[in-house]
Amino acid sequence: DVKVTQSSRYLVKRTGEKVFLECVQDMDHENMFWYRQDPGLGLRLIYFSYDVKMKEKGDIPEGYSVSREKKERFSLILESASTNQTSMYLCASSWSPGNTIYFGEGSWLTVV
Amino acid sequence: EDQVTQSPEALRLQEGESSSLNCSYTVSGLRGLFWYRQDPGKGPEFLFTLYSAGEEKEKERLKATLTKKESFLHITAPKPEDSATYLCAVQAEPANTDKLIFGTGTRLQVFP
Repeated sequence: DVKVTQSSRYLVKRTGEKVFLECVQDMDHENMFWYRQDPGLGLRLIYFSYDVKMKEKGDIPEGYSVSREKKERFSLILESASTNQTSMYLCASSWSPGNTIYFGEGSWLTVV
Repeated sequence: EDQVTQSPEALRLQEGESSSLNCSYTVSGLRGLFWYRQDPGKGPEFLFTLYSAGEEKEKERLKATLTKKESFLHITAPKPEDSATYLCAVQAEPANTDKLIFGTGTRLQVFP
């Protein structure tokens, strides 16, 4: 079975803090993604990566950055957390374009 | 603009009462349509991928169908454990990446 693991399920951070969300996949997938999910807005793509050290902006990249130093690991970084970044963050991965995308369990981030 | 719309937003069924969920889409060219199930507080779980009009996929009490403008998720004789939010997503051409466009989901509740 494909496993996408998000290390932190629940986080509470203060406004202005730097936040790291980590994601690891164990199936040698080429592509990795970060989404956020908000009620009424659905899932929105923040960033994705199709190779190590490569990254592409999604639909809502403002306020976020990413890092992919190893194939299996994709990190989402909030440089200076703000309250409007309170959300559920979902990491996902896939073999290559056109293949099924598998999601992690999600990380609930609250910024106070 | 590529768009995915799901209806209804919420659906309440009695156990055994069959029904269908709708996903209508507007994309320049469809590469694939995906159905996911999401339980509260968890990440989306992959159900089906459909690639061309006329295609059907089945899994237990669920059956997904695809036309050129919409997809249906048919639920036959549902049980309380089928209660979840069902998400539809499309991948549009050209697809050199795996970007998915999500609908906002249908929240299904099945009562005994």
